[in-house]
Amino acid sequence: KAGVTQTPRYLIKTRGQQVTLSCSPISGHRSVSWYQQTPGQGLQFLFEYFSETQRNKGNFPGRFSGRQFSNSRSEMNVSTLELGDSALYLCASRTGVPSNEKLFFGSGTQLSVL
Amino acid sequence: KNQVEQSPQSLIILEGKNCTLQCNYTVSPFSNLRWYKQDTGRGPVSLTIMTFSENTKSNGRYTATLDADTKQSSLHITASQLSDSASYICVVSPPFFTGGGNKLTFGTGTQLKVEL
Repeated sequence: KAGVTQTPRYLIKTRGQQVTLSCSPISGHRSVSWYQQTPGQGLQFLFEYFSETQRNKGNFPGRFSGRQFSNSRSEMNVSTLELGDSALYLCASRTGVPSNEKLFFGSGTQLSVL
Repeated sequence: KNQVEQSPQSLIILEGKNCTLQCNYTVSPFSNLRWYKQDTGRGPVSLTIMTFSENTKSNGRYTATLDADTKQSSLHITASQLSDSASYICVVSPPFFTGGGNKLTFGTGTQLKVEL
């Protein structure tokens, strides 16, 4: 069974640009969540999607948005990039049924904003 | 103040030795507490998941404990190996009834280095 796949692996952008990151969950997983990881703040929850609906949202500005498609694949968009958006963006998936099940993470997209 | 505090921030041990990593949390109530291992440049990998009613959970050489009264958890690594060098992150999940889902609260991690 393939794991969670994130593309691209690395990305370099300049301030003011926008970026779209992609996440393909494990087959059968309907819940996809996104996290930002920086050396200073650690891992922080961005948002979660389930069956194409945003189920939860973290404390990030509106420049950060996402969506989920009918095949459970998800995209995350950041508009008007700032230097502080440089981070590792991680996507994770699970079946979505509330439980103590494992959350499976992808390897992330390393975004550098210059 | 972070709701999940981990100590030590970093740790260096010799191969074959045991070590214990600490996690103190203030998140309450919660549905489960998880420990993850994250290799450099990779996503976190789940080691253990404990509900609030469990005291201990093992996964090979990794054993996690939970004391809900003192709001402390620990991860004990036995007979360390070079491949254990990684960041270990303590994570608390919100209660199911809040609909919090994957709105996890992460600790800042303990960076472990195992040397020969």
